[in-house]
Amino acid sequence: EAGVTQFPSHSVIEKGQTVTLRCDPISGHDNLYWYRRVMGKEIKFLLHFVKESKQDESGMPNNRFLAERTGGTYSTLKVQPAELEDSGVYFCASSPLGAGELFFGEGSRLTVL
Amino acid sequence: AQSVTQPDIHITVSEGASLELRCNYSYGATPYLFWYVQSPGQGLQLLLKYFSGDTLVQGIKGFEAEFKRSQSSFNLRKPSVHWSDAAEYFCAVGEDNTDKLIFGTGTRLQVFP
Repeated sequence: EAGVTQFPSHSVIEKGQTVTLRCDPISGHDNLYWYRRVMGKEIKFLLHFVKESKQDESGMPNNRFLAERTGGTYSTLKVQPAELEDSGVYFCASSPLGAGELFFGEGSRLTVL
Repeated sequence: AQSVTQPDIHITVSEGASLELRCNYSYGATPYLFWYVQSPGQGLQLLLKYFSGDTLVQGIKGFEAEFKRSQSSFNLRKPSVHWSDAAEYFCAVGEDNTDKLIFGTGTRLQVFP
């Protein structure tokens, strides 16, 4: 069974550009989460989807971040326009409903120059 | 607010030595507690979790952790470390008994032969 996959693994962009990160959860997992780790800090929650609905987006930093999960399958996280402080590793995780365990992807490293 | 503290940023041990990674949490109710590991080039992998019951929990790769309510701690232990255990370890608490996690800042483990 395929795990959570994320693309790209690493993206380097200039300040002001746009980047879109993609996450494919484990098949059948209704819960999908985005987390972010900036260098040296803790991994922080960004938002949570249940199927295609945003359940909790309290961790989204500002309106430059837009997450979607059309059809309740894969999800995208767009940063537009990117700022220097957006650099970090963006993790996606999925779980079945009520599982009590998250399955994480390898993360997408974003570097904003 | 809930929080997780991992006081050791970096730990170095010799192969075969015992290991204890510290984790303290702040949470009002009975917490759901987790330890994740991230090896180089890998995603976050669940080592073990505590929801209720026996306060000493066994995980994968020979790791165990003990929940101590009086000390608000959930320290991770291994009796004999292997070189392949070199990785970054994250303690996390489940917020409001959901899949949403609050992470500590991580402890990087280095193992010398």
